[in-house]
Amino acid sequence: QVQLVQSGAEVRKPGASVKLSCKASGYTFTSYYLHWVRQAPGQGLEWLGRIDPNTGDTHDVQRFYGRVKMTRDTSTRTVDMDLSSLTSEDTALYYCVRERVGGYFDHWGQGTLVTVSS
Amino acid sequence: QTVVTQEPSLTVSPGGTVTLTCASSTGPVTSNHLPNWFQQKPGQAPRTLIYFTSNRHSWTPARFSGSLLGDKAALTLSGVQPEDEADYYCLIYSGVPGWVFGGGTKLTVL
Repeated sequence: QVQLVQSGAEVRKPGASVKLSCKASGYTFTSYYLHWVRQAPGQGLEWLGRIDPNTGDTHDVQRFYGRVKMTRDTSTRTVDMDLSSLTSEDTALYYCVRERVGGYFDHWGQGTLVTVSS
Repeated sequence: QTVVTQEPSLTVSPGGTVTLTCASSTGPVTSNHLPNWFQQKPGQAPRTLIYFTSNRHSWTPARFSGSLLGDKAALTLSGVQPEDEADYYCLIYSGVPGWVFGGGTKLTVL
């Protein structure tokens, strides 16, 4: 069955970077986009960006001004997201979610909690 | 920057019907925006209910239906169950800016 398994919780100081992982199984890895979504405590969902595991092409939210870098490793069926220059506003649960091209979202990862605190 | 607006909260009685809507600041929501709907219960990851405007997943109960209603995307729950109490989010494709979530609707079943 389709599974998206995310890496464990992270704690970082302001100004640091964090790398989150999402490991896919149960389907053809290169046939679906993977998106990153976050949710700050008590807040709504926010789309961060997506990667095409087939080509490595990415599309992310412009307002992050290059702080987000998404990569994929087809050998390990994993997508990573690096988020740099962290501030307390980046404290959130980060999710990966799969999309079949054309707007067909389906499976979600379990989420990774990132806490940014001095 | 596209802003997607949903009702902040709605209340429905068990067995009743309720419609949640999703509006875009850039104009009418159409099928070209590829609307998706998600349900999130406390402490859980979101779950996709509806994709591409009106298509249910295999796990989506038949009481959930998606549509376009006037200038908005809509999610209708018919025969609401107590377990439908949750937060609901729409997501639309906005072109170059990418995908944008609505602010979410907190649905109370009372």
